Amino acid sequence: QKEVEQDPGPLSVPEGAIVSLNCTYSNSAFQYFMWYRQYSRKGPELLMYTYSSGNKEDGRFTAQVDKSSKYISLFIRDSQPSDSATYLCSGGYQKVTFGTGTKLQVIP
Amino acid sequence: GAGVSQTPSNKVTEKGKYVELRCDPISGHTALYWYRQSLGQGPEFLIYFQGTGAADDSGLPNDRFFAVRPEGSVSTLKIQRTERGDSAVYLCASSLKAGGPPDTQYFGPGTRLTVL
Repeated sequence: QKEVEQDPGPLSVPEGAIVSLNCTYSNSAFQYFMWYRQYSRKGPELLMYTYSSGNKEDGRFTAQVDKSSKYISLFIRDSQPSDSATYLCSGGYQKVTFGTGTKLQVIP
Repeated sequence: GAGVSQTPSNKVTEKGKYVELRCDPISGHTALYWYRQSLGQGPEFLIYFQGTGAADDSGLPNDRFFAVRPEGSVSTLKIQRTERGDSAVYLCASSLKAGGPPDTQYFGPGTRLTVL
């Protein structure tokens, strides 16, 4: 079993839709949870991180962590075609464990 | 300022050959990380450096893989006796420091290694 499980998609949504991306994890030691965005043939870039359980909002993006169920979510409001990318959830500290990534396509 | 740079961007080699992949971190970043990303997968941790020393090399798959960072800046990932299964994108990241709340890791564009 992978430490971080993520549905690879692809996920296609119309522009303006609310997108929900989800992951589960198995390592109870994880305290920090991160979401990265990766465009094709580029390195990942950090979108946001959350410490322990709770919500964090940054513009159109909201990250949620529920440690009791080991569930990680990212919500994107008013999705834009420029949001089309692969989204990677991850847990850990310096040694970060990534999920497979979910490929998102936002259709104009 | 300049981001993390990696050279070469592409490397094609034959099975059994030796390769070196280079990473130039962001100036002033003391922590440096190597990951490997296979097609359709997320990055897989290999090793990270704090300064010149390898703080955690538990992700290196076997003794054919070795990484150095002799002066605490540029790092080289070395792969001996390459195998076809080593084909992947090798990503390097750097952060300002390690050992506190997660410091943002800034990733380079990666080196795409193909072993024929």
